[in-house]
Amino acid sequence: QKEVEQNSGPLSVPEGAIASLNCTYSDRVSQSFFWYRQYSGKSPELIMSIYSNGDKEDGRFTAQLNKASQYVSLLIRDSQPSDSATYLCAVNPWTGGFKTIFGAGTRLFVKA
Amino acid sequence: EPEVTQTPSHQVTQMGQEVILRCVPISNHLYFYWYRQILGQKVEFLVSFYNNEISEKSEIFDDQFSVERPDGSNFTLKIRSTKLEDSAMYFCGKEGGQGNYGYTFGSGTRLTVV
Repeated sequence: QKEVEQNSGPLSVPEGAIASLNCTYSDRVSQSFFWYRQYSGKSPELIMSIYSNGDKEDGRFTAQLNKASQYVSLLIRDSQPSDSATYLCAVNPWTGGFKTIFGAGTRLFVKA
Repeated sequence: EPEVTQTPSHQVTQMGQEVILRCVPISNHLYFYWYRQILGQKVEFLVSFYNNEISEKSEIFDDQFSVERPDGSNFTLKIRSTKLEDSAMYFCGKEGGQGNYGYTFGSGTRLTVV
């Protein structure tokens, strides 16, 4: 059973701080990794994708991938109250199939 | 205009009734997906649809479920005889290719089975 694990939180950080969200996955051959943001009652919104080891930066977001440790993280710099949401880690296992496996998400609260 | 439009936004149905959830992707992507999310739980894969055929389905997607693209644009998910446990948010998604590029989801349909 392929799994994606996240700390459910809530993670609470003050405005302007760095929020660090973590994710581990079980399928070693996974190739594609994603972070989605989901506001309450809304659909998930893709914010980052990463495919190779190392860091990928996009604005205030940095995704980090370590395939040897089967670990993905998301850093949010200069956190804003509008960043308060649930962040979903998602992995495409690359078994020749099409589905993506989602983690349960980490709830982030950014305090003003 | 959203890239993926889902209707209805909320549907309440009685147990045992049939429901049809609709999705209209704007562009001509070939890969489409249905996912669902029971309240407070993970987003779960239901089915992928490629080139007008089911390419993969999960164990959730049993004989009560079907998907169609009847007119080449609308993409529907039908549940033939709804159960209480089908109550969830259903998301239609489009994607560039085989799950490798990340999804653009519609706003979802909240299905409530009573």
